Amino acid sequence: EAGVVQSPRYKIIEKKQPVAFWCNPISGHNTLYWYRQNLGQGPELLIRYENEEAVDDSQLPKDRFSAERLKGVDSTLKIQPAELGDSAVYLCASSFAPGRNEQFFGPGTRLTVL
Amino acid sequence: TQLLEQSPQFLSIQEGENLTVYCNSSSVFSSLQWYRQEPGEGPVLLVTVVTGGEVKKLKRLTFQFGDARKDSSLHITAAQPGDTGLYLCAMDSNYQLIWGAGTKLIIKP
Repeated sequence: EAGVVQSPRYKIIEKKQPVAFWCNPISGHNTLYWYRQNLGQGPELLIRYENEEAVDDSQLPKDRFSAERLKGVDSTLKIQPAELGDSAVYLCASSFAPGRNEQFFGPGTRLTVL
Repeated sequence: TQLLEQSPQFLSIQEGENLTVYCNSSSVFSSLQWYRQEPGEGPVLLVTVVTGGEVKKLKRLTFQFGDARKDSSLHITAAQPGDTGLYLCAMDSNYQLIWGAGTKLIIKP
């Protein structure tokens, strides 16, 4: 069974440019998470979806970040325009349900903003 | 505010040695998870602890949940180079996980 798939794995862009990340969760997982992980830190939740509904986006910088999960399956996270401080690894995870259920992570997208 | 504190932040030891890393909070956990993350990969769940005083073993790894459910420890016996990675603890809070900053562990052959 395929795990969580993310693309691209690496992205280098100049500041003020847009960038998008894609995630396909494990089949049947209703809950999808986007995290940002800075070097030497734990993951920081950006947004959590239950099916197609964003149920927790309190940590998402809404002035430049947006996300969608239109059909409740795959999801896209966008940054427009990117800033130097956005350089990080963006992780996608999925679980059967929220809370203490195991979260399965993709390999992440390493974003470098120059 | 960092709700979960992990210590040490970094640990480098020789193969065969034993080690313990810690996860502490001022809050009571309903449950706590330990993950290991290798370079270029996402975290992978090792164990979930739920009951105060609970001890779980996974081969050479022993996980303990404090009696008051505010702290946890991970002990590795006879560490091997394959144990190298970032060890993260995460607590369940309002349907999401709150993550610690991790302990970066390097086992030298």
